[in-house]
Amino acid sequence: AQTVTQSQPEMSVQEAETVTLSCTYDTSESDYYLFWYKQPPSRQMILVIRQEAYKQQNATENRFSVNFQKAAKSFSLKISDSQLGDAAMYFCAYRSPMDSNYQLIWGAGTKLIIKP
Amino acid sequence: ETGVTQTPRHLVMGMTNKKSLKCEQHLGHNAMYWYKQSAKKPLELMFVYNFKEQTENNSVPSRFSPECPNSSHLFLHLHTLQPEDSALYLCASSQAQGQLSYEQYFGPGTRLTVT
Repeated sequence: AQTVTQSQPEMSVQEAETVTLSCTYDTSESDYYLFWYKQPPSRQMILVIRQEAYKQQNATENRFSVNFQKAAKSFSLKISDSQLGDAAMYFCAYRSPMDSNYQLIWGAGTKLIIKP
Repeated sequence: ETGVTQTPRHLVMGMTNKKSLKCEQHLGHNAMYWYKQSAKKPLELMFVYNFKEQTENNSVPSRFSPECPNSSHLFLHLHTLQPEDSALYLCASSQAQGQLSYEQYFGPGTRLTVT
C-alpha cells in the first residue's frame, strides 16, 4: 500500500527567507499525481501545487516550487520569500491511477511558522 | 472561500445525541467527500459520493451515516458517538471522482466535540 511521510512536524522560517518542506512516499507505480495542500488557521484547505509523475519538469506556482525526485520518491515544497500569510499546516498527498476511486493518500502534515 | 460551505462550524454533543453535519458546494462538481481530521494524523477518508452514488465507505462505524440527496449537498448524520470521534470533519468536492488530476476543494470544517 502507498504511504506518504512528512518527517517534519513543525518548521519555522524568518519572513522573506526560503524554506523547504519534505515529503517522501512509497509506491511501486510509475504514474501518479502528487499534491501539496495548505491549511491556514482558518482551516479551509487549499491546493498549493500539483505534479504528475511522468513530467520531469518541476512544477512551480509563483513563490512555490517543488523538487520532485522520482527515483528517490521525494516531493519537497520550496517556499521562497516567505510571507506571514504562508503560516499554515502543509499536507503532501499522493493519488494513484490504480485506485479505482482515485483516493488521496495523505501525510500527517508540517506546521509552518513564519517569524516576523 | 473555496465554494464549499459547512455548517455548523462548531458542534458539542453528548454521546446519546443525534445531530447532522451539512456540506454544500457551489462549484458544479459531481463528487463529494467526507474526511476526519485528527491532530497529528493524516486525513482519513470516510465516504465518497460520485454522481450521488456512494462509491467508498472506508470501514466507518455505523454511528456515522452519510446522505447525498443531490450533487450539491452532502450530510453526515451522527448518533451515539464516542469521545474518540471528536475531531475536525472536512467536506470536499471535485469535478468527478475518476480523474487523476482533479483537485479537491475543501470546506472550512466542523469542529466536533463529543462529551
